[in-house]
Amino acid sequence: GENVEQHPSTLSVQEGDSAVIKCTYSDSASNYFPWYKQELGKRPQLIIDIRSNVGEKKDQRIAVTLNKTAKHFSLHITETQPEDSAVYFCAAGSSGAGSYQLTFGKGTKLSVIP
Amino acid sequence: GAVVSQHPSRVICKSGTSVKIECRSLDFQATTMFWYRQFPKQSLMLMATSNEGSKATYEQGVEKDKFLINHASLTLSTLTVTSAHPEDSSFYICSAKSAGRYTDTQYFGPGTRLTVL
Repeated sequence: GENVEQHPSTLSVQEGDSAVIKCTYSDSASNYFPWYKQELGKRPQLIIDIRSNVGEKKDQRIAVTLNKTAKHFSLHITETQPEDSAVYFCAAGSSGAGSYQLTFGKGTKLSVIP
Repeated sequence: GAVVSQHPSRVICKSGTSVKIECRSLDFQATTMFWYRQFPKQSLMLMATSNEGSKATYEQGVEKDKFLINHASLTLSTLTVTSAHPEDSSFYICSAKSAGRYTDTQYFGPGTRLTVL
């Protein structure tokens, strides 16, 4: 099955700096890579996703890059703000006919220091 | 956007009792729903995948007789923790996958905090 590794487990940045979280996956059949943000005691919220036919996607201050050859994808947050503090999970999955599920990374606790 | 509700948000029960948790997709039809368990400061552990009208598929190590899943309609799935014990105390989160255009996206419920005394 799929195995997703996520690094780092914790990350502290100064407000205004950039944060980068990296994930690797093992199954070359995976073609869908979402990122979720989970604030303490709340549900995971989808913040951005990317499919394997795209190498990069951007939405305001967040961007995701995908390297299919190397099987890794990254989340980039620019101009970080205190409200970006949360746990971020990457995931990898395959869509289309047949079974579907996501495999999640272990999460990265991001702390943005004012 | 797609909204998933979960009920109850918190439940405290005595050891040996059963607890039912409901997961509903409010504004979309969910062909597939997922049940996760999350321990403090840990990731989401998939317990089972349920498809409407068919039996759930359980992940390795998850007891299907203990965690009963029913996906009776395209908007409702239930998880029943039978004969709960303190080690079953955890945060249980469901998610639903839309049958519509964005078929890859999973939308999560707010979770249920189960405490077994």
